Amino acid sequence: EAQVTQNPRYLITVTGKKLTVTCSQNMNHEYMSWYRQDPGLGLRQIYYSMNVEVTDKGDVPEGYKVSRKEKRNFPLILESPSPNQTSLYFCASSLKPGLVYEQYFGPGTRLTVT
Amino acid sequence: DAKTTQPNSMESNEEEPVHLPCNHSTISGTDYIHWYRQLPSQGPEYVIHGLTSNVNNRMASLAIAEDRKSSTLILHRATLRDAAVYYCILNSGGSNYKLTFGKGTLLTVNP
Repeated sequence: EAQVTQNPRYLITVTGKKLTVTCSQNMNHEYMSWYRQDPGLGLRQIYYSMNVEVTDKGDVPEGYKVSRKEKRNFPLILESPSPNQTSLYFCASSLKPGLVYEQYFGPGTRLTVT
Repeated sequence: DAKTTQPNSMESNEEEPVHLPCNHSTISGTDYIHWYRQLPSQGPEYVIHGLTSNVNNRMASLAIAEDRKSSTLILHRATLRDAAVYYCILNSGGSNYKLTFGKGTLLTVNP
């Protein structure tokens, strides 16, 4: 089944403890991105990747890192999480970067930083 | 990014058609109109997209006004599973092809 998977789905952690949220897609997609969803603010893009080894900042990249060493994986790294990073995170992918390609979203990771 | 305006909420009855409107009066010539929906506790899901002509797929139809300043997503027979927040999004690509989600329309489907 074609899908985007994220792990973990739920995470409660403490301020400053490094964490990684994994994202993997099995559709050989070139384009991947991370969004966060907060009440009243909608979904905002954190980082995106046009292809392997090509990543760039989205609208809200502060406090996050990403890497794209393989086509299928695009992990989101929080080196020193803070409470304002408590949010619902979605990974998305599409066949190519472009206006006509639909984006597939993962099921979400709910992160709480205390 | 060009802005879209959608009603906050709409209600429908099961097995009836639903017309979800979206106004985008500042749309540019290169903006594609995308619709996504988000079911409770799930990630957003692609519904349909178009540029100028009306579009149909297995999920819905997209009717685009001739001047492209508005569009309507049509669900031909609503089911309970269609209850979701529906987002109308304009995408002109830019440098990152991000989707800018607004507040969307919360669709309630009554049995």
